Amino acid sequence: AQTVTQSQPEMSVQEAETVTLSCTYDTSESDYYLFWYKQPPSRQMILVIRQEAYKQQNATENRFSVNFQKAAKSFSLKISDSQLGDAAMYFCAYRSKETSGSRLTFGEGTQLTVNP
Amino acid sequence: DTGVSQDPRHKITKRGQNVTFRCDPISEHNRLYWYRQTLGQGPEFLTYFQNEAQLEKSRLLSDRFSAERPKGSFSTLEIQRTEQGDSAMYLCASSQASRRETQYFGPGTRLLVL
Repeated sequence: AQTVTQSQPEMSVQEAETVTLSCTYDTSESDYYLFWYKQPPSRQMILVIRQEAYKQQNATENRFSVNFQKAAKSFSLKISDSQLGDAAMYFCAYRSKETSGSRLTFGEGTQLTVNP
Repeated sequence: DTGVSQDPRHKITKRGQNVTFRCDPISEHNRLYWYRQTLGQGPEFLTYFQNEAQLEKSRLLSDRFSAERPKGSFSTLEIQRTEQGDSAMYLCASSQASRRETQYFGPGTRLLVL
């Protein structure tokens, strides 16, 4: 079974600064997807960014980028020019491409605080 | 299209009562998922449907839980004989089956069992 670990329960960053959230995962599969989801205080989960394991290039979406290290099974999220609206719980998630079904396996989450 | 909707948003019930939650997915999505999220934790998969067929159930889904998706549209999740341990946020997500499938989440139903 796949597992996802986020070792930072809480992080804080100053507005306009850069912060990196860590995520590691364990799998025996070679092809899969990784995601970062954001859950603001209103609780609706929003997709931030997606990475396909077979793609070596790191995904980017505006101020959000990832550092995907497949051999190390590491998938960190970098938020540049942090804004107050970035404050939320961030979840790293894994989805298999090889097994049947498409469930997401989530990490425990990292609570991000953005200080003005 | 306004996204995934869930009803009710909050439910308080007494132990032993039955509760039912509804999820309306994004209209063109053929997959629908249920997750459970306890405070301070990530969501955990419960079950999912492709159209009206329930294709996978987690071991977390005890016999007291049942889910349906009649006609492949909305879905209901029923919990019978609720227990205090059932208190959680129940999240619904929908997606269109494809290689680049992305799950879109609803706002959740927060259940409190007294």
